[in-house]
Amino acid sequence: GAGVSQSPSNKVTEKGKDVELRCDPISGHTALYWYRQSLGQGLEFLIYFQGNSAPDKSGLPSDRFSAERTGGSVSTLTIQRTQQEDSAVYLCASSPKTGRNTEAFFGQGTRLTVV
Amino acid sequence: DAKTTQPPSMDCAEGRAANLPCNHSTISGNEYVYWYRQIHSQGPQYIIHGLKNNETNEMASLIITEDRKSSTLILPHATLRDTAVYYCIVLRSGSGAGSYQLTFGKGTKLSVIP
Repeated sequence: GAGVSQSPSNKVTEKGKDVELRCDPISGHTALYWYRQSLGQGLEFLIYFQGNSAPDKSGLPSDRFSAERTGGSVSTLTIQRTQQEDSAVYLCASSPKTGRNTEAFFGQGTRLTVV
Repeated sequence: DAKTTQPPSMDCAEGRAANLPCNHSTISGNEYVYWYRQIHSQGPQYIIHGLKNNETNEMASLIITEDRKSSTLILPHATLRDTAVYYCIVLRSGSGAGSYQLTFGKGTKLSVIP
């Protein structure tokens, strides 16, 4: 497809388990973002990948959260030892270039529920 | 980093223009103003962005004041499908060279009324 694709669309996991969330950005887009949105809240920045540069991880809430972007394309967000407060919609976005003058295109998100 | 202030909610009659204000009084000279919207249960959708000049595209117009301390997003003929939360964002630099973050606030919940 032409847009940002995220999988799975929904994930229910037990507290303490690890989860992996996948993002397929738009082909050729060099920048990739991860955000999360808790119920009724705004979007919270998590991490930003820009080409081959070191990612901006300043938004990751704890060391249980990590993300990779392999080959400058697909990205995986991993949450270890999930907690109930990790329940949220996790959104991925990509941009065709880095810099101040570029729009980001968002996927539909992965709804994570930790029970 | 520049912070934005938006009214929490607005109503607009279907077919009329929706004018959504945003204050960003601490914006720096090289910071762009972006507008996104989020329709219920969907990912945010890019609408428009600008630096100094007014901008128009197929979705909306963006009017930026001369001092750049505020802007207005205009949806010229609002439809029911325009009901969404609208976010005004000043793109800020993140940690690390060349890193930029879209920092979303609470936005304005626009309700288009039949």
